[in-house]
Amino acid sequence: EDQVTQSPEALRLQEGESSSLNCSYTVSGLRGLFWYRQDPGKGPEFLFTLYSAGEEKEKERLKATLTKKESFLHITAPKPEDSATYLCAVQAIGSQGNLIFGKGTKLSVKP
Amino acid sequence: DAGVTQSPTHLIKTRGQQVTLRCSPKSGHDTVSWYQQALGQGPQFIFQYYEEEERQRGNFPDRFSGHQFPNYSSELNVNALLLGDSALYLCASSSGLAVTDTQYFGPGTRLTVL
Repeated sequence: EDQVTQSPEALRLQEGESSSLNCSYTVSGLRGLFWYRQDPGKGPEFLFTLYSAGEEKEKERLKATLTKKESFLHITAPKPEDSATYLCAVQAIGSQGNLIFGKGTKLSVKP
Repeated sequence: DAGVTQSPTHLIKTRGQQVTLRCSPKSGHDTVSWYQQALGQGPQFIFQYYEEEERQRGNFPDRFSGHQFPNYSSELNVNALLLGDSALYLCASSSGLAVTDTQYFGPGTRLTVL
């Protein structure tokens, strides 16, 4: 069964304290892995798509990496405005559009 | 460039009632997917519409049905509402012709069933 597990469930950082979020996945064949940011009561905001092991993508303070079993979202020198829930999702080969999401990691960055 | 829009923002219904939620996709997109997100959980896939037909369906009962119109907008209908249907309902749009269809989400409709 295809599934996604994110860790930790919650992470509290001081402003400027770099860290990483983990997304472990089991899928029959990976078509794509997606990272989203979600603010409370809002819809997920797209961040990155990764397609194959070894791929990396960056956006401002965020960098996403992918291996055959997991993905990491690295946050460098975070600011309070980076506080949100970060969701990881996978799409399997042969899937018409079904994204399988993890439960997310709730990130809090204190000034 | 307008993103994905959804209406209404909030909705309160009682058990047994029926509800219709609406979604307009991002400009240039022709595919609409619907997700249900319970509090503290990740979104769960309900179904996807492309070319006015249901292309894939998740593990949801037949009480959940949908429709896609010629202008690519979509509706989600839920009959015989249960307390457990209370959730944030998300619509996502994508391009059906893309190799990997990155999905862009709307702001969601918060449904409360009393």
